[in-house]
Parts: sequence; C-alpha cells; structure tokens
Amino acid sequence: EAGVTQFPSHSVIEKGQTVTLRCDPISGHDNLYWYRRVMGKEIKFLLHFVKESKQDESGMPNNRFLAERTGGTYSTLKVQPAELEDSGVYFCASSQQLAGGPIAKNIQYFGAGTRLSVL
Amino acid sequence: AQKITQTQPGMFVQEKEAVTLDCTYDTSDPSYGLFWYKQPSSGEMIFLIYQGSYDQQNATEGRYSLNFQKARKSANLVISASQLGDSAMYFCAMREGTSGTYKYIFGTGTRLKVLA
Repeated sequence: EAGVTQFPSHSVIEKGQTVTLRCDPISGHDNLYWYRRVMGKEIKFLLHFVKESKQDESGMPNNRFLAERTGGTYSTLKVQPAELEDSGVYFCASSQQLAGGPIAKNIQYFGAGTRLSVL
Repeated sequence: AQKITQTQPGMFVQEKEAVTLDCTYDTSDPSYGLFWYKQPSSGEMIFLIYQGSYDQQNATEGRYSLNFQKARKSANLVISASQLGDSAMYFCAMREGTSGTYKYIFGTGTRLKVLA
C-alpha cells in the first residue's frame, strides 16, 4: 500500500512568487493534515481536513496560505505571495476515520515533506 | 499550555547498546496520547510507538519501548540493541483527547547517531 506522497520534494522560489504543494494521502484516509517545520524548531500544525471540509485551520499563519482538498482526495497548499519566513519543510499526514473513545489512537502517517526555500 | 520538550538536541550511542531519548510534556487534559516518530535522512516520518494516558502498562514495539511516568509527565523512548539504521531524528508528539482537535504537538526533536 502506498504511503503519503508529497510533491515536489524540494522547491526554490523567489520572494513574491507563488508555490503550490501537493499531498496524496493514503487511500481511504478521510483525515488529512498539514504541518510545517521551520529550521531547528518544532513541527507545527497548520490545518486538518476531514474529507473535503476544513475541520481545524487554527494553525494557518495568515491569508497568504490557502489549502484545498477538492473531492476529498489529494490536497494542495498554496502560498501566495511567498515570503522569506515561509521557508521550511511542509509535511502532510493522513489518518483513518477515528473509532470511538476519548482517546482514539489516531496514528497520523506522514509523508517525506516538501522543503520550501524562499530566496 | 500544551507543550512537548525534548532537551537532547543530539545523542550518540554505540551499536548494540541501549539508548534513552527524553521527552516531557505539559497538558491539563486528563486524556491524551503520546507518540514517537523517527525521521531518517530520506525525510519520511515513521511512526514508532504510542502510549495513551489511561494505559496501565508501558507500550512496547519490538526494540522500542516507552518509559511512561505519568506523575512526572515524561514519556521517554528506549531503543534497545541499537543498530546503525537507527541513526535518525526522533520526534515526540502529543495529542489531547478532549480538546476537540486532532492536531499533534511536537517537540524539537533529538538527532541520534549510532556508532559502529
């Protein structure tokens, strides 16, 4: 079974340009997440989709970031216009629909990330 | 506020020896889950082990075990019989159960180097 796939693996753009990152989750996973790691810091949550709906977008830094998941399959994260501080590694993860209980295990399976460099 | 702290930016261990990677957490939620991930040089984050806050026993998965000390709010990862392939970045993460969110909170990671 294929894991979470992210494209491209690396993107180098200039400040002010637009970049679109893509994530293909594990087949059948309704939950899809985006995270970001800025150099040397912790990995931070950006947002969470359940199928095509945004469940939680509390981590999105500003309105230059737009995430979509049309049809509830793959997702894109667009940064427009990119700024220097947007540089980092963007991870996508997916998980199955949770079973019941206050602490469902909810293992999130991550991709290898997209390294974004804004010059 | 919820937080994960990994105080060891880098660790060395001799092949075949055991190593402990530290993780402390802070949460006021009585229901939470703790996770460890491994990130080799290829970049993909690999799930290793999970511990729920209500689990009575420490989690184990092959050579990985989680030393869960609830009162001290620590969830250290123990790798037994280290192998060269264990060289990687290791992240500790937490998810709160009753906050209504599925997001993980991560620490800054520990880079482990296994020496031959």
